[in-house]
Amino acid sequence: QVQLVESGGGVVQPGGSLRLSCAASGFTFSSYGMHWVRQAPGKGLEWVAFIRYDGSNKYYADSVKGRFTISRDNSKNTLYLQMNSLRAEDTAVYYCAKEKQLGTFDYWGQGTLVTVSS
Amino acid sequence: DIQMTQSPSSLSASVGDRVTITCQASQDISNYLNWYQQKPGKAPKLLIYDASNLETGVPSRFSGSGSGTDFTFTISSLQPEDIATYYCQQYDNLLSLTFGGGTKVEIK
Repeated sequence: QVQLVESGGGVVQPGGSLRLSCAASGFTFSSYGMHWVRQAPGKGLEWVAFIRYDGSNKYYADSVKGRFTISRDNSKNTLYLQMNSLRAEDTAVYYCAKEKQLGTFDYWGQGTLVTVSS
Repeated sequence: DIQMTQSPSSLSASVGDRVTITCQASQDISNYLNWYQQKPGKAPKLLIYDASNLETGVPSRFSGSGSGTDFTFTISSLQPEDIATYYCQQYDNLLSLTFGGGTKVEIK
């Protein structure tokens, strides 16, 4: 069955960096686009970034553009999110999600919490 | 960005009631709309895609309709396990996917 397992969350100071990973299994990872979606504590869902199945296209929310980088290693079935210049408003649970079709998420990980605080 | 306005933000209903949530897009998004369910402490789950298609394994009491700017999500007979927050999401603009603010459904 499809499994997505995020890791790499934690507490980081403002201006710091963190790299999230999402280990995928149970499907042909290299055939599907992947996304990161976040949820601030007690708030709604916010799409963060997308990467095409082969890594050739990447899109970002305006709120993270220029600071976050999405990437993937299809040989390791792993998705990444490099987060730099972190701000307090980046505090959230970060989910990786698999695409069912363009723009539609059919499987989600359990999430990893990122807290930006001094 | 396309703004998605969901209403109500919360509702309380009895077991067996019909529950309806609406989602309005700030511009025409055709049928490029999904509905997700999120239970407390859990990841969201896809229920409806392309505005009206039921995801595999999702109970038939859940349904969706609409196109253009106005969409509706319905639970035909509310069950205790349906307590959750529901989100609509547009994918007409693939460069900027957006969610509605969510509707928290509680049992009266």
